[in-house]
Amino acid sequence: ETGVTQTPRHLVMGMTNKKSLKCEQHLGHNAMYWYKQSAKKPLELMFVYSLEERVENNSVPSRFSPECPNSSHLFLHLHTLQPEDSALYLCASSQDMVRGGGYEQYFGPGTRLTVT
Amino acid sequence: KNQVEQSPQSLIILEGKNCTLQCNYTVSPFSNLRWYKQDTGRGPVSLTIMTFSENTKSNGRYTATLDADTKQSSLHITASQLSDSASYICVVIPYNNNDMRFGAGTRLTVKP
Repeated sequence: ETGVTQTPRHLVMGMTNKKSLKCEQHLGHNAMYWYKQSAKKPLELMFVYSLEERVENNSVPSRFSPECPNSSHLFLHLHTLQPEDSALYLCASSQDMVRGGGYEQYFGPGTRLTVT
Repeated sequence: KNQVEQSPQSLIILEGKNCTLQCNYTVSPFSNLRWYKQDTGRGPVSLTIMTFSENTKSNGRYTATLDADTKQSSLHITASQLSDSASYICVVIPYNNNDMRFGAGTRLTVKP
């Protein structure tokens, strides 16, 4: 168990639905991340939070909206998604931001999202 | 073009055999290079972390090597087991930057 949990593990939603993904880390880390993993493509970093403040937003469409209410929880709010948004969404945490490396990132099991 | 290229894309080997996975990168300068193992339906788990000055790092039956001159890394798996079936991802972290560069991974299948 990596200490990072994600719910739900699987989600099927229509393009007009609104849903949220939840991530919780039990490691006392200060940084949390959202990644998108599509089949046979590299992981794509979406958002980075450090001490509950968003420090990176990698040109992610506004239909994805992150929220970090405290250092242990991270949400990804979804609305009016497209079928191409179907992917595995991974959450990760690290002691601090991985600027220049040095801090290990611990990943959750992911949420498999299917947009119909 | 991705800055981290992995080969082969997929690989099938028999249980007990050795294999080597390749990672070529163009990220420069870089701080460290990591190999992750990702089981189906799970998040990636770190196997090895090497700084730019290290040449090799072992973790049990996994040995990673790094040649910073040729910008190549390899992951060697010895005496493969069925549980080694997974995707193996190479990640390069630029110097003084938090934008990790991921390879697309190699899908390894170990058959009995």
